[in-house]
Amino acid sequence: QLQLQESGPGLLRPSETLSLTCTVSGASVISGSDHWGWIRQPPGKGLEWIGSMHYSGATNYSPSLKSRVTMSMDTSKNQLFLKVTSVTAADTAAYYCARDRGGGTSDVWGKGTTVTVSS
Amino acid sequence: QSALTQPASVSGSPGQSITIPCTGTSSDVGGYNYVSWYQQHPGKVPKLMIYDVSKRPSGVSNRFSGSKSGNTASLIISGLQAEDEADYYCCSYAYSGTSFVVFGGGTKLTVL
Repeated sequence: QLQLQESGPGLLRPSETLSLTCTVSGASVISGSDHWGWIRQPPGKGLEWIGSMHYSGATNYSPSLKSRVTMSMDTSKNQLFLKVTSVTAADTAAYYCARDRGGGTSDVWGKGTTVTVSS
Repeated sequence: QSALTQPASVSGSPGQSITIPCTGTSSDVGGYNYVSWYQQHPGKVPKLMIYDVSKRPSGVSNRFSGSKSGNTASLIISGLQAEDEADYYCCSYAYSGTSFVVFGGGTKLTVL
């Protein structure tokens, strides 16, 4: 059974870099056409797509976040990584990783990890 | 990029049917058959309900269906039940020089 688990620091100060890890179990990230994505949700607000990555290294990012986001993965550890630079309070959100079967179809999600940006 | 447009709220009585529209552009909803819908109960993780416009994942009730006409996709829920009360988000593949994905702002469904 595929499971995803996000982890990372819960509190950051403005201008710092957010680094999150998503550990995948029950399936390999080297899996055909599957992409692996990150989605966030600010408190009380809607979902925002951050980006997705294929094990080949191909990445797609949200145009509005592209300048600050980097996604990568360690296939030997079955882990995905998300970095967001120069964070502000607007980056405060629950961050989810998910398997993307293509076209934005995220069928399996992690439980999410909350990140707060505050001085 | 702009978020897809959804009504902030819809409501219906048990047993009724409701439709949640999701309007985009020819660069997203209208241009590709990659529209998905997610259900999110308070404090819970979003759940995939519809993908590729009208396909249902295994385990999702057939009371949920999806359709698309032009730049507007729709989620239809028939035989409303109390447990359907949740937030619903549409999502679409988009291309505008680069590939990306865009969500709608979300619709709060209230079962009266």
